[in-house]
Order: sequence, then C-alpha cells, then structure tokens
Amino acid sequence: GAGVSQSPSNKVTEKGKDVELRCDPISGHTALYWYRQSLGQGLEFLIYFQGNSAPDKSGLPSDRFSAERTGGSVSTLTIQRTQQEDSAVYLCASSLFSTGVNTGELFFGEGSRLTVL
Amino acid sequence: DAKTTQPPSMDCAEGRAANLPCNHSTISGNEYVYWYRQIHSQGPQYIIHGLKNNETNEMASLIITEDRKSSTLILPHATLRDTAVYYCIVRILNNAGNMLTFGGGTRLMVKP
Repeated sequence: GAGVSQSPSNKVTEKGKDVELRCDPISGHTALYWYRQSLGQGLEFLIYFQGNSAPDKSGLPSDRFSAERTGGSVSTLTIQRTQQEDSAVYLCASSLFSTGVNTGELFFGEGSRLTVL
Repeated sequence: DAKTTQPPSMDCAEGRAANLPCNHSTISGNEYVYWYRQIHSQGPQYIIHGLKNNETNEMASLIITEDRKSSTLILPHATLRDTAVYYCIVRILNNAGNMLTFGGGTRLMVKP
C-alpha cells in the first residue's frame, strides 16, 4: 500500500493475556518506530529500528514489551501479560533514511487501539 | 533534544490565518524545527520543518526568529478540517536516526 499499515485497528483483551500488534511500513523505508498514546496524552516513544542496526529499546516501559522487525520490513510489537495501564493507541511510523535525503519526516499509520479489560 | 513550549490551546475563525507559536529557547545550532499535527483518531502528519530560513509549502509557512529561539507555524486560511493538535519539535538531524520526541502540543480549534 501507499502508507503505513497497522493491524488490528482495534483490539480488546483481558488482563493477563498476550497481544501482538503488526506494522507494515512504507516500502523502502529503512527506519521504523513504535509510539503509544494514552487517552488525551501526547506520544510516548517505545522503540526504533534502523536497517540492520540493533534497535533502540530505550522507551519500552517494561520487560513485558518487546518488538521485532523481520527482514527489515514488517514489525510486530508484543505485549505479554497485559495490564489495564497498557490500554492506549499504539502508533507505528516509518521514514526513509539515506545519506543526503534524510529530511526527518516520519509517516505514521492510523494506530492500533488496545483496550485491556 | 531541546524542550519546546506551546500554548495548550488556541481558537481560530474559519478562513482566517492561524498563527501557532512555539518557544525553543535552548535550541542548539544543529537542531531543526519540525511541525506535525494530529487530527482526532488519526496518526500524526508531517507539516513542515526548517533550520534557519523561513519555509513555505502547500500546507503552511514556518517563520523562525533570527535568534532561532522561537518559531511560528502559519496556516494562511484555516478550515474546519485544520482542527487538530499541533506539535512543535526540535531535533538534531544526524545519522543516529530521526526519533522525534512529542510534547503536549497546541490544540487548535477552528470555528465557523
């Protein structure tokens, strides 16, 4: 597709269950980011992937959160043993990173809304 | 990244110019000013960015003061669809990537 695609768009789960959120970045974009946004709040950085480099995991709130990016394209954010405070919109973004054409523009998906009951 | 300060909310009449201020008094020489907006229930959308010079594109104009300690995003003819939260971000553009840190932003309400 032309933009960043995220699935599912909505997910309701019970406390303690594991969830997986998927992100398909724009084709050719080497950088991929995960953010989350709680109701009425700003965006909170979670994790960043750039090419084959080790990901920047500095924003992950706990060890229940993990993410992987297979083949340098699709990414999956996994939350284990979900808690009610994990309820938020999880946003994925990608950007083109190439020396000389690095404008810093991030393209965001529509997000995955997670509700933990 | 340098901290930015924005008013939490602003109103603007439809058809009038919306001028959104941002203070970034601790900005360093190699930090760019970026503006994004987030319309309700959507992901953030890039608007414009600049370093020193004023910039203009099809969406908006960015005016950066000579000392670079503040900037203003201008929507020349605001429409109801411009109602959104507008984020001002300053960021070093380096080889480590483009991670952006979003603050609280300004909630712009365009009224008929």
